[in-house]
Amino acid sequence: AQKVTQAQTEISVVEKEDVTLDCVYETRDTTYYLFWYKQPPSGELVFLIRRNSFDEQNEISGRYSWNFQKSTSSFNFTITASQVVDSAVYFCALSTGGFKTIFGAGTRLFVKA
Amino acid sequence: EPEVTQTPSHQVTQMGQEVILRCVPISNHLYFYWYRQILGQKVEFLVSFYNNEISEKSEIFDDQFSVERPDGSNFTLKIRSTKLEDSAMYFCASLAGEDYEQYFGPGTRLTVT
Repeated sequence: AQKVTQAQTEISVVEKEDVTLDCVYETRDTTYYLFWYKQPPSGELVFLIRRNSFDEQNEISGRYSWNFQKSTSSFNFTITASQVVDSAVYFCALSTGGFKTIFGAGTRLFVKA
Repeated sequence: EPEVTQTPSHQVTQMGQEVILRCVPISNHLYFYWYRQILGQKVEFLVSFYNNEISEKSEIFDDQFSVERPDGSNFTLKIRSTKLEDSAMYFCASLAGEDYEQYFGPGTRLTVT
C-alpha cells in the first residue's frame, strides 16, 4: 500500500528563519513520483516540485530546496529565509502506477513577521 | 500555459439535493480524477477515469457519486443526494500519461446546508 507521512502538523517560525518540512513515503513500486504542493488560504493547490524515483538529485529553486533520499524514503522540503507569504499548508504527495496521487496530511506553516 | 478549470467556484446546496460539479481538463490529457478535501483535512482520492470508464475508485465514492465525460471537453462529478458531510473542496485533475504529474484545477467549494 502507498502512504505519505508528514509528521509535523504545524510549524511556527519567525521571518528569515530556515524551516524544513519532513515527508516520509511508503510504496512497493519501483517507479513513482513525489510532489510538493502549497495550499494558501485561498484553497487552491499550487504545484511546487515533482521528482521521479530514478532521480535522487537534490534541487534548489530560489529559496526552496528539496532533499530526496531513497534510502530513508524521505523527500524533505526546506525554505530558506522564510517570509510571511510562505505561510500556508504544504502537502507532500506520491503517485505510482494507476497515477492516482496519495497526499500526506499536510504541514501548516506559520511565518511570523 | 494550459490549465484545468472548474465551475462553479462555490456551490451552496440543501441536504438531499443533487449537485453537478464541472471540470474542463487539459485538452490532450487522457486520465481524469476527482479528489475531495474536507476543511482542515488532507486531500483524498475519489475516482479516476480513463477511456470513458472508471479505472479506480475509493471507498468514499459510493453509489451517491457518479462521473461522466459527456462530451470531448467536460468531466463532471454528480452527487445524487447530498449530505452535510459532503461539504468539502472538490478538486478535478487531469494527466497526459507520459509522466505522473496531475494538473489540478482550482477546486469547487461545496457547502451543504
